[in-house]
Amino acid sequence: QSALTQPASVSGSPGQSITISCTGTNRDVGGFNYVSWYQQHPGKAPKLMIYEVSNRPSGVSNRFSGSKSGNTASLTISGLQAEDEADYYCTSYTNSGIHWVFGGGTKLTVL
Amino acid sequence: EVQLVESGGGLVQPGGSLRLSCAASGFSFSGFWMAWVRQAPGKGLEWVANIKEDGSQKYYVDSVRGRFTISRDNAKNSLYLQMNSLRVEDTAVYYCATHSEYKFEYWGQGTLVTVSS
Repeated sequence: QSALTQPASVSGSPGQSITISCTGTNRDVGGFNYVSWYQQHPGKAPKLMIYEVSNRPSGVSNRFSGSKSGNTASLTISGLQAEDEADYYCTSYTNSGIHWVFGGGTKLTVL
Repeated sequence: EVQLVESGGGLVQPGGSLRLSCAASGFSFSGFWMAWVRQAPGKGLEWVANIKEDGSQKYYVDSVRGRFTISRDNAKNSLYLQMNSLRVEDTAVYYCATHSEYKFEYWGQGTLVTVSS
């Protein structure tokens, strides 16, 4: 069982917006602004999409945005495109001894 | 261009050992924390270990502490993971990644470790 909870799957049509949630506790997501999000296409390495809750690395489309409320972080993808179809993982620093925890991952399907 | 290239994976029997390497280029390796992250077949990502820029601090997930050792050689721009007493559940693709400023920014392509009799 992953320390952070993500929905197993989400889907949306091209042009629509979707949001993926990442729920933890006050010892990880709720306690620190060190949530990041990663995109992983099949057979490829993960790619950093969002860091420190809402910051986008250089080169990442502004269609990707992040936010946090309490113990839940969210990744929103607007204007869905076919190439957004991938697995998405959240991670957070934790003071529970593990140091870094990942969510179980969410498979995004673009219909 | 940042490049991280892992090597050293393969098939090993339970109880055996392997040493993974990660060759870094295109950035100032000695200025970055580094990490190993693994992904079991068909499963999600799991942080395994990380190491401070000068190697003075190291942290491990509970399931590998005492069996795995992370190390680095800044003169060779290389990161290592010595894995002993391997278990079937250690089977995974192992990625090295930069880990400074609370994010896993750059990733290698991974190396597959299979623990099986």
